[in-house]
Amino acid sequence: GENVEQHPSTLSVQEGDSAVIKCTYSDSASNYFPWYKQELGKRPQLIIDIRSNVGEKKDQRIAVTLNKTAKHFSLHITETQPEDSAVYFCAATDFQKLVFGTGTRLLVSP
Amino acid sequence: EAGVAQSPRYKIIEKRQSVAFWCNPISGHATLYWYQQILGQGPKLLIQFQNNGVVDDSQLPKDRFSAERLKGVDSTLKIQPAKLEDSAVYLCASSFDLQGVQETQYFGPGTRLLVL
Repeated sequence: GENVEQHPSTLSVQEGDSAVIKCTYSDSASNYFPWYKQELGKRPQLIIDIRSNVGEKKDQRIAVTLNKTAKHFSLHITETQPEDSAVYFCAATDFQKLVFGTGTRLLVSP
Repeated sequence: EAGVAQSPRYKIIEKRQSVAFWCNPISGHATLYWYQQILGQGPKLLIQFQNNGVVDDSQLPKDRFSAERLKGVDSTLKIQPAKLEDSAVYLCASSFDLQGVQETQYFGPGTRLLVL
């Protein structure tokens, strides 16, 4: 079955800096890769997703890149703000089961 | 559009007791998921329903956990008897799912379970 690894586990940046979170997956059949943001005590919320037929997707300050050959995908947040502080989860699926990474705790200091 | 609803939001029980969680998905969403999220970890799928049929329950501890979605809408997850290691947040999610295409999963607020 699918296995998703996520790094780093914690990431501290200064406001305005960029943040990058990386994930690798094991199942080459996986074709959908969402990223969720979870604030303390809140539900996971989708922030961006990418399908295997594209290599990059952007939405304002957030971008995701996918390298199918290497089986890894990354989340890029530019111009970070304190409200970006949360736990971010990557996930991968081949439509059978969504498998989540272990999460990255992002702390943006003012 | 109303989101995924779950109840109760919090539950404290003693080990060996029983507990049940309820989920109402977004209207029109055929697929419903139950996840277990242990503190500091990512959500782990327990069971996935497509309408009222089970698609995947490979990670559901069937000796103590059960779930049903009798009419293809609401769902109930039960734990009987509970163990200390069942302390976690139980998240329900739903998705529309066009045939053969994974759609966005929308999560409910979760039920935080503490087993003493």
